[in-house]
Amino acid sequence: GEDVEQSLFLSVREGDSSVINCTYTDSSSTYLYWYKQEPGAGLQLLTYIFSNMDMKQDQRLTVLLNKKDKHLSLRIADTQTGDSAIYFCAEKAGGYQKVTFGTGTKLQVIP
Amino acid sequence: EPEVTQTPSHQVTQMGQEVILRCVPISNHLYFYWYRQILGQKVEFLVSFYNNEISEKSEIFDDQFSVERPDGSNFTLKIRSTKLEDSAMYFCATRLSQETQYFGPGTRLLVL
Repeated sequence: GEDVEQSLFLSVREGDSSVINCTYTDSSSTYLYWYKQEPGAGLQLLTYIFSNMDMKQDQRLTVLLNKKDKHLSLRIADTQTGDSAIYFCAEKAGGYQKVTFGTGTKLQVIP
Repeated sequence: EPEVTQTPSHQVTQMGQEVILRCVPISNHLYFYWYRQILGQKVEFLVSFYNNEISEKSEIFDDQFSVERPDGSNFTLKIRSTKLEDSAMYFCATRLSQETQYFGPGTRLLVL
């Protein structure tokens, strides 16, 4: 079945760039997402990318997709303490309803 | 910006009791979902609902679970006889377009 994997933890200094990586197994993935979860809160959709794209930029966020290697990354430029959260990579195959989530990467931003 | 809301935010129940978790979708959304996240584990898909019927469900969504849209606005998840392993955060999600599902803040369910 589908599987999405992420590293569990990332620590960066305020002002640096953060890069969170994700790999997935489903070659029929059509949409790939990044969600943010702050403590005690729900899942906030940050951005998404279609599988026929290789890059998407949205302000401080850059998503890179390597479809051949089934690798997705999220780069946060000029990381702030307010970016500290858990970041979930997720994918959805065309024709299916469910979104499959990764384990989440906890981003710690050191002032 | 419109949001998905869920009630209650927390629920504590005894094993074997029935619970109903409620969600108010974003008003013009047509597709509704329930996910759960057991503490320390991945967010897992339970069920999707469209046009007043289940369109897809996972193996987790067994006969103990049911969903309905009783009044055209609320979307509910019922667990008939809760088990200890049902303790989790339950997220409702809704969507209008194909691409994106918007999640509610979750209901934390604790079964004792």
